[in-house]
Amino acid sequence: DAKTTQPPSMDCAEGRAANLPCNHSTISGNEYVYWYRQIHSQGPQYIIHGLKNNETNEMASLIITEDRKSSTLILPHATLRDTAVYYCMVANAGGTSYGKLTFGQGTILTVHP
Amino acid sequence: DADVTQTPRNRITKTGKRIMLECSQTKGHDRMYWYRQDPGLGLRLIYYSFDVKDINKGEISDGYSVSRQAQAKFSLSLESAIPNQTALYFCATSYAGGTREQFFGPGTRLTVL
Repeated sequence: DAKTTQPPSMDCAEGRAANLPCNHSTISGNEYVYWYRQIHSQGPQYIIHGLKNNETNEMASLIITEDRKSSTLILPHATLRDTAVYYCMVANAGGTSYGKLTFGQGTILTVHP
Repeated sequence: DADVTQTPRNRITKTGKRIMLECSQTKGHDRMYWYRQDPGLGLRLIYYSFDVKDINKGEISDGYSVSRQAQAKFSLSLESAIPNQTALYFCATSYAGGTREQFFGPGTRLTVL
């Protein structure tokens, strides 16, 4: 599986957009980009995923570069409740690794009042 | 009621004891997973099961065993607990198809003295 690189920590002011980058330069053609977050010691929560097109849902937007070597998760209006560890992962679309996620250390996002 | 439940939520045990962590889900998913998380680190996959008859080792399966008693139940056992198995354990489920989104339980905090 391809590996991802994320900054260890980021800060954001409440109400502003939080832009979390992720590098996945060795991603292969059938691998998706996934984002999860973990608030304190709760179970991780799915945020969004994409293959090559930009995606948006009620929680966030995912911008994937044309060469798919990097992506950015955007929380448009960050709140204090968005303070969490954000994990960027890539996962194979098929075969026995289907559905397996490899969690790295993620980015600690701290939203300040 | 929660879709993915884990019991117990907290457990303190002694070295050498056998312990079982249980996971139940009401989401009707085929796939279930066990992860462990050590302080400051991401989640690591212990075992995963794609259906009742299909169980696979993850990246850190040594010292652990699992049982998929039914589609809805997936148990993790530590046959002879040791202190370095002290960690936060998460169960997760996912559809066989679809988005591959994983749904996590609340976690079990295990301490081995």
